[in-house]
Amino acid sequence: RKEVEQDPGPFNVPEGATVAFNCTYSNSASQSFFWYRQDCRKEPKLLMSVYSSGNEDGRFTAQLNRASQYISLLIRDSKLSDSATYLCVVNIAMNTGFQKLVFGTGTRLLVSP
Amino acid sequence: EAGVTQFPSHSVIEKGQTVTLRCDPISGHDNLYWYRRVMGKEIKFLLHFVKESKQDESGMPNNRFLAERTGGTYSTLKVQPAELEDSGVYFCASSQEAPRGVSYNEQFFGPGTRLTVL
Repeated sequence: RKEVEQDPGPFNVPEGATVAFNCTYSNSASQSFFWYRQDCRKEPKLLMSVYSSGNEDGRFTAQLNRASQYISLLIRDSKLSDSATYLCVVNIAMNTGFQKLVFGTGTRLLVSP
Repeated sequence: EAGVTQFPSHSVIEKGQTVTLRCDPISGHDNLYWYRRVMGKEIKFLLHFVKESKQDESGMPNNRFLAERTGGTYSTLKVQPAELEDSGVYFCASSQEAPRGVSYNEQFFGPGTRLTVL
């Protein structure tokens, strides 16, 4: 079983639609949670951190449920420029005192005119 | 400020050859990480340097992979001899030392090196 599971998609939505992505993680040592965005043949870039209280950044809302080990990302009013792969990422505490990032396979979003 | 840079952007080699990838982190970032994404799979952690010291190399696939960070600045990842299954995109990331009480400091990724082993 993968440590971070995501639906690979693709999710095909029209401009202006609302779309939601979900992700589950299995490691209870997970400390921090993030959504990264990766454009085709580019590097991953941090989109937003995810908190239990929920956090919003413009059209993007992220939510964490620690009890269910579940993370979500909601995108409202989709734009063509939102087309990308969205990576669910978990930061896991190691015995060394440092951390490492564990990635999901990503969910591909295609927004059409 | 310059971001993380990686060289080369692409490398095509034959099975059995040697390839060396280079990563220059953001200036002042003590933490340097190597990751790899093989076709159809998720990005996976390879190893973590703090300055010149290997902090965690639990993700290195086997002893054909050797990473170094002499002087605590740039890092190299050598694959010798390369095998077909080594093909993929190798990402480097760097981050500052996290302030006391902060569990995570953002990692900034380089553009990656796309390695193809024929």
